[in-house]
Parts: sequence; structure tokens; C-alpha cells
Amino acid sequence: KNEVEQSPQNLTAQEGEFITINCSYSVGISALHWLQQHPGGGIVSLFMLSSGKKKHGRLIATINIQEKHSSLHITASHPRDSAVYICAVYLLTSGSRLTFGEGTQLTVNP
Amino acid sequence: KAGVTQTPRYLIKTRGQQVTLSCSPISGHRSVSWYQQTPGQGLQFLFEYFSETQRNKGNFPGRFSGRQFSNSRSEMNVSTLELGDSALYLCASSLAQDRDEQYFGPGTRLTVT
Repeated sequence: KNEVEQSPQNLTAQEGEFITINCSYSVGISALHWLQQHPGGGIVSLFMLSSGKKKHGRLIATINIQEKHSSLHITASHPRDSAVYICAVYLLTSGSRLTFGEGTQLTVNP
Repeated sequence: KAGVTQTPRYLIKTRGQQVTLSCSPISGHRSVSWYQQTPGQGLQFLFEYFSETQRNKGNFPGRFSGRQFSNSRSEMNVSTLELGDSALYLCASSLAQDRDEQYFGPGTRLTVT
């Protein structure tokens, strides 16, 4: 079993829909990254959080350390949001090494 | 402020050869981490350097090595290339060593034939 699990693996939505991507982890962490990867490979860090909630534009990330769960929400989705979204964690036992989920492929249709 | 840069962006090598990839971090960032991304294994941590010292290493064979220079620029080297080394190699930099937000470069796509 992977230490970091994401769901769903694939998600197709219509423009304007509210989207949620989930990330669960099985061991203690100190912080969690949500990353976005577009075709071509470049990765952008959307959020790093260790508690509570962060918001940036139409993106919202939440984390519940006790329940070992984080969610990434996209409001009013747009075709340009189509990308792979990756959850990555700093495990308490692994120092500064990131451990990654498998990613969620999001496609937003116009 | 310029972002993380990686050179070259694309590379084709033959089995048995060696390759060196370069990463220049964001100015002021002292930590550089390297990752390998393949369709089968996803993103995997290779190693992390801070102030010219390797501070963390992933589960990769000794053919994979790296170093960091006094200006924080980093290189990774893969010797005796295998077909399975074909991947996107990403580096990321951060201000401090420990659990800081990481900023990723565009990656080097290596194809081994």
C-alpha cells in the first residue's frame, strides 16, 4: 500500500463545476504540498500546508492532520485547469524528502 | 527573481553511456532536491543537497550520483545508462533544508536508446 493515496485517479468535469481531489496518507507528516503538472512536465507548487486551510484564487486546500487527509478544491473550473494534480508529503520519518501520490488527471471540458 | 533552471531540457543517450544534468536554483535557495518521474513509478526522490552536502538519499543504485557547488548549483550524474533510466528528471530548490516549500524546474527529459 502506498503511503500517499489520491482519489480519484481520473476526473472529467464540465466547465464551471466544483471539483474536489482527495489525498490520504498513512503515517505522520509535517507538511503537505499540492502540485500541478501540465503536459510537457513542468511542476508548479500550488500550496504547502500543515494545518487548516489555504486559498488562492479559485483554489482551496484543506488538511486535517488527525484524520490524515487533505483535499484540493477548484471552484468554477475552467479548461485551463486541466492538468495532473499531485499530493506530496514530508513524512515525519523522512526529513526533507517528499513522498508523492500517484496524481489525479483532471480534464475540464468547455 | 528567476526560477529554477535545468539544462539540457532534452537529451538522447545510448545504453552504457553516462549523462550529467544541471540545475540552477532560485537565487538565495540553498537546498536542491532531485526527482525522477516515469510513467510506471511516478515521482521518486533521488537525493537532496544542502550547503554542498548530501543530506538525504532515495532508493536508487549507485549509478546515480550528484553534487552541489558553493553557489548552490547542482549536478546529477547517471553512469552506465540503462533503458529504464529514460525519464523526466526534475530538480527543486528551497530556502532551507528542512521541509520548506519547494520550487520545481522544468525538468530534463532523458531518453536512453
